[in-house]
Amino acid sequence: QSALTQPPSASGSPGQSVTISCTGTNSDVGGYDYVSWYQQHPGKAPKLIIYEVSKRPSGVPDRFSGSKSGDTASLTVSGLQAEDEADYYCSSFAGHYIGYVFGTGTQVTVL
Amino acid sequence: EVQLMQSGAEVRKPGESLKISCQVSTGYGFTSDWIAWLRQVPGKGLEYMGVIYPGDYDTRYSPSFEGQVTISADKSISTAYLQWSGLKASDTAMYYCARLKGDFWSGYFDYWGQGTLVTVS
Repeated sequence: QSALTQPPSASGSPGQSVTISCTGTNSDVGGYDYVSWYQQHPGKAPKLIIYEVSKRPSGVPDRFSGSKSGDTASLTVSGLQAEDEADYYCSSFAGHYIGYVFGTGTQVTVL
Repeated sequence: EVQLMQSGAEVRKPGESLKISCQVSTGYGFTSDWIAWLRQVPGKGLEYMGVIYPGDYDTRYSPSFEGQVTISADKSISTAYLQWSGLKASDTAMYYCARLKGDFWSGYFDYWGQGTLVTVS
């Protein structure tokens, strides 16, 4: 099974927005509304920031939003802040045989 | 609050066996949710390895890891395990356990352990 495709990097100035894409197939992203996003700071465990395409866990700022169209999911970080500088990974259910797949990861830099 | 506490870093030689652990603090029933194992090779992305449902020990593996590792659990001590019988240098990675919230087909990884670094050299 292949990893979901994300751009290797994205960047923006403080206060700007950045959108990260996560492209899969109709066997994963396109086939299920079970896409989640994770933020990982260097040396730390990943943290859930979006689940079920667009839902935010308690405590996650509303600057983080998710969406999906066809086989591509997207994460938008609005009003970029210095602490948003991290790696971001998408994940999707990919069927009972494979289970879950993750994206290749995107490093977000706040300029 | 849910907490997942993983065992400490390990160094092994190729061919050796290893079992690492993930103890889940209750606050919810350990037997009511799936516990997943994920791998992260240094400098690389996250990979899903498999899950176990401690309630009935139902275990499911990613095809990439089937036959390479064994996932198990001990309900009596709320602990999940990841085990190798013959380590390879390519198993060098950080391993995370995480709770898969929800059903197997509709879940997300909401709580994570701190990670266990396994070095095979």
